[in-house]
Amino acid sequence: NAGVTQTPKFQVLKTGQSMTLQCAQDMNHNSMYWYRQDPGMGLRLIYYSASEGTTDKGEVPNGYNVSRLNKREFSLRLESAAPSQTSVYFCASSEGPWYTEAFFGQGTRLTVV
Amino acid sequence: AQTVTQSQPEMSVQEAETVTLSCTYDTSENNYYLFWYKQPPSRQMILVIRQEAYKQQNATENRFSVNFQKAAKSFSLKISDSQLGDTAMYFCAFLRDGSSNTGKLIFGQGTTLQVKP
Repeated sequence: NAGVTQTPKFQVLKTGQSMTLQCAQDMNHNSMYWYRQDPGMGLRLIYYSASEGTTDKGEVPNGYNVSRLNKREFSLRLESAAPSQTSVYFCASSEGPWYTEAFFGQGTRLTVV
Repeated sequence: AQTVTQSQPEMSVQEAETVTLSCTYDTSENNYYLFWYKQPPSRQMILVIRQEAYKQQNATENRFSVNFQKAAKSFSLKISDSQLGDTAMYFCAFLRDGSSNTGKLIFGQGTTLQVKP
């Protein structure tokens, strides 16, 4: 049982380049989330999808777009990467908004130079 | 808006001793959930323990226990008999309850714990 799988695990981008972070979960969860982790700031929510077919902005959505492709997959796109987007990105999923545990992927370390 | 504060950026403890990590939060909600997550060097986020605000009894999971003080909005994590494998960053997190909840976790800044042999 893989849980939440993120790809890639590491990525280096040049300023202005675009890329998509992929996330898939095999737990039949309804809700999925994208967080970024920066030193001294904990994890902050970028976007979330409470259920298939819906997406909403979180705390720090600027510079990102998301797609809930189906129930399993939730991708995060950087259209024009900036150095301020250097961070570790985590995808997570949960049964629904009312949950006892969120499950996290192993993270993607992204560096924008 | 809810906020979560962890005022101890770094802590250390000797193996087999007990350590307490602090967390305070601010909310006007009456029903909510609180979590402690562990992040070892592998970066994997692992749920350590969970507390429902409507439960007065403090949650316990083996060597991990919490001291939940609802009126003081305090949620500390106690690790007993510390082991080298407990070395990690620990995050306190808050989740709203109720019909307006969207499942969004609000995290504290994290506390890096080092267990020394």
